[in-house]
Amino acid sequence: GQNIDQPTEMTATEGAIVQINCTYQTSGFNGLFWYQQHAGEAPTFLSYNVLDGLEEKGRFSSFLSRSKGYSYLLLKELQMKDSASYLCAFSGGYNKLIFGAGTRLAVHP
Amino acid sequence: SAVISQKPSRDICQRGTSLTIQCQVDSQVTMMFWYRQQPGQSLTLIATANQGSEATYESGFVIDKFPISRPNLTFSTLTVSNMSPEDSSIYLCSVVGTGELFFGEGSRLTVL
Repeated sequence: GQNIDQPTEMTATEGAIVQINCTYQTSGFNGLFWYQQHAGEAPTFLSYNVLDGLEEKGRFSSFLSRSKGYSYLLLKELQMKDSASYLCAFSGGYNKLIFGAGTRLAVHP
Repeated sequence: SAVISQKPSRDICQRGTSLTIQCQVDSQVTMMFWYRQQPGQSLTLIATANQGSEATYESGFVIDKFPISRPNLTFSTLTVSNMSPEDSSIYLCSVVGTGELFFGEGSRLTVL
C-alpha cells in the first residue's frame, strides 16, 4: 500500500534551524514534494526531489533517500513568518500526489 | 507557472443542497485534480478530471456525490451534492506544471 508519515507538530526559535522529517512507503515513486501552507491559504510549492541527495534553495533545503523512503525539509535562519504547516507528498504516478498529514511548525521569538 | 482561479472562494450552504465549484486555468492542461482538505487535516485527492473522458475517482469518492465536468482544457467544475456538515471543507483545484503541482486558492464550504 501507500503510506506517508511526518510529525504532527514542531516548535523552534527564531533564527534557529529546524528539520522536518518525512517517511513514505509506495510501490511506485515519481518524486517527493514539500509544500508550505499558512492557515486559511492554499499550499505553496517549496521543493521537489526525484533523485537522492540534497536540494538547496535559499533558506530551505530538501533531502531524499529513495532506498530508505525518507526525506527531510531543512529550514535555516527561521523567521516568524515560517510558522505554517509543512506538507510532505509523494507522486505515485499519473501526476497524483499523496499528502502526509502535515507538520505544524510554530516559530517563537 | 500556472494561474488558477476558483469560484466561489467561500460559501455557507444548507444541508441537502448542492454547490458547484468552478476552476479556471490560464493555460491548457491535460489533467486537473480536485482535492479536499477537511478542517485540521491534510489534502486528500478526490478525483482526476480529464478532458474528453469521465473523471477518475479515488477510493471513498463517487461520481454521484462529486460529479465533475471538464468541457475543455482550461476549465473544470466540481459539484458537492446533497451536502451534509461532514462536507465542510476546503476544496482545491490543481494542475501539474514542470516539477510541481499548482493549487488554486481553494473554495471554503461550510455546511449548516
